Amino acid sequence: EAEVAQSPRYKITEKSQAVAFWCDPISGHATLYWYRQILGQGPELLVQFQDESVVDDSQLPKDRFSAERLKGVDSTLKIQPAELGDSAMYLCASSLDNYEQYFGPGTRLTVT
Amino acid sequence: QKEVEQNSGPLSVPEGAIASLNCTYSDRGSQSFFWYRQYSGKSPELIMFIYSNGDKEDGRFTAQLNKASQYVSLLIRDSQPSDSATYLCAVNTDKLIFGTGTRLQVFP
Repeated sequence: EAEVAQSPRYKITEKSQAVAFWCDPISGHATLYWYRQILGQGPELLVQFQDESVVDDSQLPKDRFSAERLKGVDSTLKIQPAELGDSAMYLCASSLDNYEQYFGPGTRLTVT
Repeated sequence: QKEVEQNSGPLSVPEGAIASLNCTYSDRGSQSFFWYRQYSGKSPELIMFIYSNGDKEDGRFTAQLNKASQYVSLLIRDSQPSDSATYLCAVNTDKLIFGTGTRLQVFP
């Protein structure tokens, strides 16, 4: 069964350091999403790509977060510098038609 | 007003009972509705989606949608302890908006 792949699964970093997360969507899925989920809350969209283009990054803190999907397949989300409040689960999802979204296993980030 | 509202629970039901999970949303223009199951420490898993008013059944799960009342629900029949998880309601306007989830506990 096709799945969204993410790495790393866990990341511990000190504040002010840089971190990067990688996502490989389900093959053929043109739409890719990055979400952040804080404990006890639902996921919140950070950025949405359609192929290699950003469709929505209105909730991405652009002073420290960046995202790219250069070839329209896999994607990287970067945080620099990390802050204590960035501790959360970072989820990648993909969709064939911008309706049903399928999530990867996530990256649990802890900033110390 | 939150865009998607769910009771945080926990909702406790005995094994074999029907669990009823509810969700309301604020945007009348919403067209598609989703239920995700999330086990502790894991990522959300899509279990149901519904686009039209009425009921949609898939195995032990039934999703119900009432657009006039801006209400969507999930029924789980013959609840099992393995159904114990947080259930997230998500509503698609121009992007997917999630509720905070309802924690379901099924006890033997």
